Amino acid sequence: GAGVSQSPSNKVTEKGKDVELRCDPISGHTALYWYRQSLGQGLEFLIYFQGNSAPDKSGLPSDRFSAERTGGSVSTLTIQRTQQEDSAVYLCASSRSGWATDTQYFGPGTRLTVL
Amino acid sequence: SQKIEQNSEALNIQEGKTATLTCNYTNYSPAYLQWYRQDPGRGPVFLLLIRENEKEKRKERLKVTFDTTLKQSLFHITASQPADSATYLCALLMDSNYQLIWGAGTKLIIKP
Repeated sequence: GAGVSQSPSNKVTEKGKDVELRCDPISGHTALYWYRQSLGQGLEFLIYFQGNSAPDKSGLPSDRFSAERTGGSVSTLTIQRTQQEDSAVYLCASSRSGWATDTQYFGPGTRLTVL
Repeated sequence: SQKIEQNSEALNIQEGKTATLTCNYTNYSPAYLQWYRQDPGRGPVFLLLIRENEKEKRKERLKVTFDTTLKQSLFHITASQPADSATYLCALLMDSNYQLIWGAGTKLIIKP
């Protein structure tokens, strides 16, 4: 079956604009994760969904970041009033149940550049 | 807080040799440790998971060790091939938590 897909693959925006990043998880996967990867840095956890609810939003860097998941499937990460430090690759992953040892399957990422 | 250290310098290995990558962590030992491969422009791909009570795990040409005394995991690729060239990431899964803490990865280059 299809893997995790993300769109757009690249996004260039101006400082202060809002952006929306989309993630389509593997069908049937209840757990969904958003990460941010900056050059030379490890992946930074942003948020985790179990179904449509987000039990852990602790990784969101600021209140400019929000995410939602509808129908237990597609998720959108929104960044308002983007700043240059938001530039990074945003990765989405899904897993079957969110159990600790479940394999996380990653999408290709969205490369965000804030000018 | 828990920190993970992976060698930031690229590792150059001759084809056919064994490549060994290191992952060191601070503080307490995690319940699980995972290794992923990441190719340019792609998301990480899961390779192996090892539990804290396991010393070693193997999968084909891959071997992972976990030493809780040294707070270190080693990742070995035997009979390395140019196709093994990629960045390898280690990630720790803390007990009763779904959140992974990631290293920055080590770039491995296998030269023919």
